[in-house]
Amino acid sequence: QKEVEQNSGPLSVPEGAIASLNCTYSDRVSQSFFWYRQYSGKSPELIMSIYSNGDKEDGRFTAQLNKASQYVSLLIRDSQPSDSATYLCATSYFGNEKLTFGTGTRLTIIP
Amino acid sequence: DTEVTQTPKHLVMGMTNKKSLKCEQHMGHRAMYWYKQKAKKPPELMFVYSYEKLSINESVPSRFSPECPNSSLLNLHLHALQPEDSALYLCASSRGTSGTDTQYFGPGTRLTVL
Repeated sequence: QKEVEQNSGPLSVPEGAIASLNCTYSDRVSQSFFWYRQYSGKSPELIMSIYSNGDKEDGRFTAQLNKASQYVSLLIRDSQPSDSATYLCATSYFGNEKLTFGTGTRLTIIP
Repeated sequence: DTEVTQTPKHLVMGMTNKKSLKCEQHMGHRAMYWYKQKAKKPPELMFVYSYEKLSINESVPSRFSPECPNSSLLNLHLHALQPEDSALYLCASSRGTSGTDTQYFGPGTRLTVL
């Protein structure tokens, strides 16, 4: 059973602090990793994709991938109230049309 | 441009009605997807079209019928739905189906079945 696990939260972080979201996966063949942000009642929006071990930065967002430990994380620096949303981790692997989603972590940034 | 459009935004239908959801993308993507999402749950894959051919049907009830008229359009025909089918229906597209291609989601159709 391929699984992606996330802490459902809610995760509360003060405005301006770093929010750290974690995701673990059980399928060792997973090669592609995606972080989506979903506001309540809206559709998922891609934040970051990562394919190689290490860090990938895009503005205030940094994705970290450790394939040996089978986890991927998303750091949000200088958190803003507009970052309050549910963050979905998803994985896939080469030749697979499906994304496997985690259950999502609800993040609340406290002003 | 990574835009996927969906119509209508909201749909209310009775259990005997027939309706259709529409999805369109002009990014040249060759894979398109239908997902169903219930509140506080992740998206649940329903169908995948790859190069206009149905490649995955996740054992979806026959009251949901997908159609891909061309590479830019995806429809979901609805008939004799049940109240438990009420959900957010999401369309997504990706460049291909290699597993490394990012899926981009449309805004969704909020469906309510009475």
